[in-house]
Amino acid sequence: DAGVIQSPRHEVTEMGQEVTLRCKPISGHDYLFWYRQTMMRGLELLIYFNNNVPIDDSGMPEDRFSAKMPNASFSTLKIQPSEPRDSAVYFCASSFRGTSNEQYFGPGTRLTVT
Amino acid sequence: KQEVTQIPAALSVPEGENLVLNCSFTDSAIYNLQWFRQDPGKGLTSLLLIQSSQREQTSGRLNASLDKSSGRSTLYIAASQPGDSATYLCAVLQGAQKLVFGQGTRLTINP
Repeated sequence: DAGVIQSPRHEVTEMGQEVTLRCKPISGHDYLFWYRQTMMRGLELLIYFNNNVPIDDSGMPEDRFSAKMPNASFSTLKIQPSEPRDSAVYFCASSFRGTSNEQYFGPGTRLTVT
Repeated sequence: KQEVTQIPAALSVPEGENLVLNCSFTDSAIYNLQWFRQDPGKGLTSLLLIQSSQREQTSGRLNASLDKSSGRSTLYIAASQPGDSATYLCAVLQGAQKLVFGQGTRLTINP
């Protein structure tokens, strides 16, 4: 298996622009997670899905952030409009509830908003 | 609210030494605990997962223990190598699939 795939790996954008991050989970996994990592706050869970349905979005910082999972093999995290404080590394992870609940992480997208 | 603390924040040791990284958590109602490794600019690699009913897990030179009642876990690395240099993150899984992470221990192994 190729593991969790994220794109793009790096994104530089100007304040006010829309940013879309993409994730392909491991095939067969029924949970998908979006995390954000910053120096100040460490790793934080933003939102997670179970069988493509959003379960908990309490970690989404504000309405500028939205996430979708249209099918079992694809998810997006969108920021509109972006702000410099959104600069961070965004990770996607997936897991399968039926075994150990072990979460597998993608390589991350490093977002810089200028 | 669950809080996960890792001590020390940074550790530097000479190659070949055995070492222990510590993780503590405030709420013992966890499903499992995972130790991850993160290399600079990279994603997280899962090293070991301990279910709440287990006491320890081993993989090669790594051994992780869990004492749920006291809210503590340790990651033991035997015969450390320069390639072990990385940040090590501890995370606990609470109900409904929520992983709560510590801030990590930045480990440097000096040749």
